[in-house]
Amino acid sequence: DAGVTQTPRHEVAEKGQTIILKCEPVSGHNDLFWYRQTKIQGLELLSYFRSKSLMEDGGAFKDRFKAEMLNSSFSTLKIQPTEPKDSAVYLCASSHRGFSNERLFFGHGTKLSVL
Amino acid sequence: GQQVQQSPASLVLQEGENAELQCNFSTSLNSMQWFYQRPEGSLVSLFYNPSGTKQSGRLTSTTVIKERRSSLHISSSQITDSGTYLCAIDTNAYKVIFGKGTHLHVLP
Repeated sequence: DAGVTQTPRHEVAEKGQTIILKCEPVSGHNDLFWYRQTKIQGLELLSYFRSKSLMEDGGAFKDRFKAEMLNSSFSTLKIQPTEPKDSAVYLCASSHRGFSNERLFFGHGTKLSVL
Repeated sequence: GQQVQQSPASLVLQEGENAELQCNFSTSLNSMQWFYQRPEGSLVSLFYNPSGTKQSGRLTSTTVIKERRSSLHISSSQITDSGTYLCAIDTNAYKVIFGKGTHLHVLP
């Protein structure tokens, strides 16, 4: 499967822990997005990379959320320290030439539960 | 207020009925896409549709950028169409904003 790969699929953390979520975009894609999805807020943008450069850092999510793209085929999202309100599904998406030019491809997501 | 508004919020159909889902934007945009989220959570882009009409099988998307609206028409609905339909726009190169979705339930 050459789609977007996210690991783990499920994560359970205690309040105050540090967790790292991983994403491998579609091979050759230059744009990578991290989103958080909850029933109340829907999909919220956490970060956006273009050719490994951070273009958007999600504003309100800056303090405890940090996304990195160490190479073109791997990205991480670190949440430190976790809080119960961080419980959500975290989605990674990629595209070759950006949202304005072609479809976005999503991974299956990581479901995070913070106790 | 919300920049991307979808209606209806939820919809129940009998199999075989048609559906029209709406997406309205309160801001100017570069382009938009329609997504389908399966009940188990996976998301797939249905249409990249900056303007005009596009069709794929039983789905038709029509976007009128200057009127800040888009619609998704589902003809002859099937049980497997059940799920959530989301529209998203980009207001500049980086900001991609999603609507809250239309939850569709197709009954046998």
